Amino acid sequence: DAGITQSPRHKVTETGTPVTLRCHQTENHRYMYWYRQDPGHGLRLIHYSYGVKDTDKGEVSDGYSVSRSKTEDFLLTLESATSSQTSVYFCAISESKPGTTSGNTIYFGEGSWLTVV
Amino acid sequence: RKEVEQDPGPFNVPEGATVAFNCTYSNSASQSFFWYRQDCRKEPKLLMSVYSSGNEDGRFTAQLNRASQYISLLIRDSKLSDSATYLCVVNPPNYGGSQGNLIFGKGTKLSVKP
Repeated sequence: DAGITQSPRHKVTETGTPVTLRCHQTENHRYMYWYRQDPGHGLRLIHYSYGVKDTDKGEVSDGYSVSRSKTEDFLLTLESATSSQTSVYFCAISESKPGTTSGNTIYFGEGSWLTVV
Repeated sequence: RKEVEQDPGPFNVPEGATVAFNCTYSNSASQSFFWYRQDCRKEPKLLMSVYSSGNEDGRFTAQLNRASQYISLLIRDSKLSDSATYLCVVNPPNYGGSQGNLIFGKGTKLSVKP
């Protein structure tokens, strides 16, 4: 196992409420990622982090913010949840940027299932 | 052309069959390639990297054709436990920012039947 813990694993929330998903790693990896996976779209990058307090947007960042105050924790926040944010969210980690070291790639947490009603 | 394209399947094959998946990618400067496996309601897991010369891991063989910009995965002697969705993953050029992060295909579903 890659030493990644996501919490909560399942959550149902109401439209307009804030939601924070937490990703915790024990590998001391520099890079951390948040993806969402939806039918017909595959995995899409929301935000990623390349170090403490260093984050950047991914493909589908609108409506999401992130924070990384410690190497081991990467938080994803939905400031005001909408039904379109119902999805499964995966955190991932990598030691270095994928492709920069031969064979280096990313490893995923078990996922957080979020339903916005 | 989409960045990474896969046949969604499903591929329904009997045990013991050989099955092949193809994946095409749009950015000719892409540098790294991978196959991931994802079981239903589970996280994707790395199956194997794909090297330029092709590589094999037991019953699994991955090949890369840079000229045609496609990657393939061959599974020999299929097992029931091979039933899953297989994701093709490509690493485009690293130009900084969000560039250089992995691009995932939507996956090809495989169902191996007794």
